Amino acid sequence: SQQGEEDPQALSIQEGENATMNCSYKTSINNLQWYRQNSGRGLVHLILIRSNEREKHSGRLRVTLDTSKKSSSLLITASRAADTASYFCATDGWAGSYQLTFGKGTKLSVIP
Amino acid sequence: SQTIHQWPATLVQPVGSPLSLECTVEGTSNPNLYWYRQAAGRGLQLLFYSVGIGQISSEVPQNLSASRPQDRQFILSSKKLLLSDSGFYLCAWSVLGGSTGELFFGEGSRLTVL
Repeated sequence: SQQGEEDPQALSIQEGENATMNCSYKTSINNLQWYRQNSGRGLVHLILIRSNEREKHSGRLRVTLDTSKKSSSLLITASRAADTASYFCATDGWAGSYQLTFGKGTKLSVIP
Repeated sequence: SQTIHQWPATLVQPVGSPLSLECTVEGTSNPNLYWYRQAAGRGLQLLFYSVGIGQISSEVPQNLSASRPQDRQFILSSKKLLLSDSGFYLCAWSVLGGSTGELFFGEGSRLTVL
């Protein structure tokens, strides 16, 4: 079964706007990761946040984690057309496990 | 630097035919290796993972199998393909014993079974 579920399923914004995607999961995690997938390509790792962290930044990306609500959000600021892609959250089940479980993803379209 | 190669990139196969997808990793030793499948509009489903040569764990019962004949080689196979095997197959690796769990993916193999 899917551990992470992204919301919304699809998001369309204008270039320059911010994009926020959410992820909810069901069981305790060691860490949560976000990946990006361009159409027809492999996934690329964006950022990892550990269960004892609440917020993390990487360039235009900001990730938050609320373990009490079992949810995470990915914020992309000042979006660009090149940010158009699907974004997936992935969770692991226990410390030392690298069996990541992926959600169905959010498809982001950034309109120039 | 580490790289991962996956081939073929696309293939169209008839029902009942065999399958072999290959994945190799360069620039690292003793990686964890994974095969995922992505159906249209769906998330990634973990099919197999391996922590060492000859060590394969299966996550989903199916007519697919995996082998790891060498440290950095991972092969996905089937003796007889089903229509339901169509999808986008992704190979990935991670650092064995590493603390991040980050996965590095290949470019994928798109399989269409007719």
